[in-house]
Amino acid sequence: GENVEQHPSTLSVQEGDSAVIKCTYSDSASNYFPWYKQELGKRPQLIIDIRSNVGEKKDQRIAVTLNKTAKHFSLHITETQPEDSAVYFCASNDLSGSARQLTFGSGTQLTVLP
Amino acid sequence: KAGVTQTPRYLIKTRGQQVTLSCSPISGHRSVSWYQQTPGQGLQFLFEYFSETQRNKGNFPGRFSGRQFSNSRSEMNVSTLELGDSALYLCASSFRTSGRLQTDTQYFGPGTRLTVL
Repeated sequence: GENVEQHPSTLSVQEGDSAVIKCTYSDSASNYFPWYKQELGKRPQLIIDIRSNVGEKKDQRIAVTLNKTAKHFSLHITETQPEDSAVYFCASNDLSGSARQLTFGSGTQLTVLP
Repeated sequence: KAGVTQTPRYLIKTRGQQVTLSCSPISGHRSVSWYQQTPGQGLQFLFEYFSETQRNKGNFPGRFSGRQFSNSRSEMNVSTLELGDSALYLCASSFRTSGRLQTDTQYFGPGTRLTVL
């Protein structure tokens, strides 16, 4: 089955700096890659996603890049703010079949220091 | 639109008991997936229901089961509870489509925090 590895497990940055979180996946059939943000005690919330036919996607301060050949994708957050502090999860899914499931990475605790 | 809702939000049970958790998806969403979240194992897929049929199942014992009703609401059941079943159980709904414009963006509910004593 699919395996998603996520690094780093913890990340501290100064406010205003950029943060990068990286994930690798194992199943070449995976074609959909969402990123979720989970604040303490809250539900995971989708912040951005990308499909395998696209190499990069950007939404204001957040961007995701995908390298299908290397089977890795990354989340980039620019101009970080204290409210960006949370746990971030990457995930993968194969939308081509009838059996679907999100396979999650282990999460990255991002702390933005004021 | 109202988001995904889950009831109850908190549950305390003892070993050997059984529990039923409920999930109401976003209006119009026909797919409901369930996940278990623990500090040690992270977010793990339990099962997915679409059009009242289980479409996929994760690597969990048969004590974990679920169902989906005609209004897309879903329930999951855990029988013979063990201490290790203590976790946050999350459901997610999606407007699942197939074909060329396939989509499966999943939106999570707030979860049910289950504690097994």
